[in-house]
Amino acid sequence: GDSVTQMEGPVTLSEEAFLTINCTYTATGYPSLFWYVQYPGEGLQLLLKATKADDKGSNKGFEATYRKETTSFHLEKGSVQVSDSAVYFCARSSGSARQLTFGSGTQLTVLP
Amino acid sequence: DGGITQSPKYLFRKEGQNVTLSCEQNLNHDAMYWYRQDPGQGLRLIYYSQIVNDFQKGDIAEGYSVSREKKESFPLTVTSAQKNPTAFYLCASSTERTGSQFFGPGTRLTVL
Repeated sequence: GDSVTQMEGPVTLSEEAFLTINCTYTATGYPSLFWYVQYPGEGLQLLLKATKADDKGSNKGFEATYRKETTSFHLEKGSVQVSDSAVYFCARSSGSARQLTFGSGTQLTVLP
Repeated sequence: DGGITQSPKYLFRKEGQNVTLSCEQNLNHDAMYWYRQDPGQGLRLIYYSQIVNDFQKGDIAEGYSVSREKKESFPLTVTSAQKNPTAFYLCASSTERTGSQFFGPGTRLTVL
C-alpha cells in the first residue's frame, strides 16, 4: 500500500540554523504531497503542498520540492526560529477520496 | 469565520461505555475524515465520507462507527468494542478542488 517515510526525530537546532526534514513516499499513482505542522495539543495546520512533479511548495520561509525521480519531498528552511518548534508531518494523497497517508512525524525543537 | 470545530476538547469515559465525538464544519466541504493519533505516531484513518449519507472504512475502523446525515456534521462514536480507545482524535474536511485537508483542534479521549 501507499506509505510515507519521514526522517526520525527529535531534531534540535539553534535559532537561525538551516533545517532539513527528509520525506520519501511510495510512487504509486500521481499523488499530491503535503507538509503539515502540529503545535502541542492542537490539530494539524497545512504548511505547504505540491501537486505535480517539480512543483515547489512554499510558506512562511519553508520550502519543499516534489521530486518524482527520487520520490522525495524534503522540507527546508534557511533560518529557523524558536516559534518553529513543533511536530512536522509529511503526507501524500491516496485513493479516489484523496485520503491522506501520513509519515510518523518529526519533532523539531529550536533553542534560542 | 469558516472552520472546523470539535467538541469537547477533553473527554473522559469509563471502560465499556460508548462515546460520541462531535465534528462540525462550515467550509461547505463535501468530504470529511476522522483520524486517530497516538503519542509519537502519525495519523491513522478511521472513517471518511465523500457525500452525505455515504461513508467508507479507513485503515482502523474496527470498534468505531460514524454517520453523515448533514453535510456539515460527521460524528464519530467510539464503541465498547474498541480495545484501546485512549487517543487524540482529529477530524478533517476537504474539497475536491484543492485536495487539501483542513483539520479541527482535536478531542483527547481518555478511557479510565
